[in-house]
Amino acid sequence: KAGVTQTPRYLIKTRGQQVTLSCSPISGHRSVSWYQQTPGQGLQFLFEYFSETQRNKGNFPGRFSGRQFSNSRSEMNVSTLELGDSALYLCASSLGVTGQGAYEQYFGPGTRLTVT
Amino acid sequence: AQSVAQPEDQVNVAEGNPLTVKCTYSVSGNPYLFWYVQYPNRGLQFLLKYITGDNLVKGSYGFEAEFNKSQTSFHLKKPSALVSDSALYFCAVRVPNRDDKIIFGKGTRLHILP
Repeated sequence: KAGVTQTPRYLIKTRGQQVTLSCSPISGHRSVSWYQQTPGQGLQFLFEYFSETQRNKGNFPGRFSGRQFSNSRSEMNVSTLELGDSALYLCASSLGVTGQGAYEQYFGPGTRLTVT
Repeated sequence: AQSVAQPEDQVNVAEGNPLTVKCTYSVSGNPYLFWYVQYPNRGLQFLLKYITGDNLVKGSYGFEAEFNKSQTSFHLKKPSALVSDSALYFCAVRVPNRDDKIIFGKGTRLHILP
């Protein structure tokens, strides 16, 4: 079974631009979560989607948004990029949101975003 | 508010020795606890979880963790360390039916010395 895939793997953008990152979950997984990883702040939860609905949201400004499609694939968008948005963005999928399997997340390799 | 603490930024262990990576948590409610490992330039890999039941949980690659409710701890252990265990380890907590967000610790870098 293929793992979680994220595209692109690397991205360089300029301040003020916007960016869209993509995540394809493991087949059969319906929940997708996004995280931002930086050396200073560690892993921070961005949002979680299940069945095309946002279930949870972390403490990030409105410039960060996401969505999930009917095939469970997810995208996250960051508008008006700032230098501080440079980070590794990780996507994780799980079976669902109830039951023990729900809480076993499988992570993709991440997208390394550099904002200059 | 929920929080997870990994008190050690780095742990050094000689190959063949037992290792422990510490994790404590603070939550309201019954926590679900997890350990993940991250190798360089890779995403996180699931190691093990505690949901309910036996306090000693066994996971991948010979790792285990013990849930201690009175000490609010969930330390990761392995009886005999391998050089290939060198990586970044994250503890995480989730409280279902509360805000249900998953909170990660800052991570502990484990160095296994040959």
